[in-house]
Amino acid sequence: QVQLQESGPGLVKPSETLSLTCAVSGYSISSGYYWGWIRQPPGKGLEWIGSIYHSGSTYYNPSLKSRVTISVDTSKNQFSLKLSSVTAADTAVYYCARSDVTYVNFDYWGQGTLVTVSS
Amino acid sequence: QSALTQPASVSGSPGQSITISCTGTSSDVGSYNLVSWYQQHPGKAPKLMIYEVSKRPSGVSNRFSGSKSGNTASLTISGLQAEDEADYYCCSYAGSSGVFGGGTKLTVL
Repeated sequence: QVQLQESGPGLVKPSETLSLTCAVSGYSISSGYYWGWIRQPPGKGLEWIGSIYHSGSTYYNPSLKSRVTISVDTSKNQFSLKLSSVTAADTAVYYCARSDVTYVNFDYWGQGTLVTVSS
Repeated sequence: QSALTQPASVSGSPGQSITISCTGTSSDVGSYNLVSWYQQHPGKAPKLMIYEVSKRPSGVSNRFSGSKSGNTASLTISGLQAEDEADYYCCSYAGSSGVFGGGTKLTVL
């Protein structure tokens, strides 16, 4: 059974870089599929952040592209998100998920992790 | 890219049918048959209910169906049940990226 688990600091200071990791179990990232990040500010809707293929090819939300980096570590079967220059508007629950080649059919999700941006 | 447009809320009584719309543009919904729908209960991760406009993943009730016309996709839930009360989000491929709708809160009266 495929499982995803997000991890990382729950509190980040404004202007710093948010860093999260998603550990995948039950499936080898190297075997295929795309691996993505989605976020949800408290009480608001979902926002597509970006996706990565095991080869390292990345696809980003144009509105976040200048601040986002998604990377993959196939040896550890995990992938990561870095979001730079964060503000309070980046406070959200961050989910990692698996999708097919369309980047929008997410069939397995992590439980989500709340990241708060505050000094 | 702008979020897809969904009604903020819809409601229906048990046994009835409801439809949630998702309006995009010719750059996303209108250009690709790659619209998915997600159900999210409070405090939970979203669950894929429909993909590629009208396909159902294994295990999803056939009470859920999807369609598309032009720039608007729709999710229909028939035979409403109390457990269907949740937030619903559409998501479309937008050419090397994805875009979600703003979400619709479904209330089962």
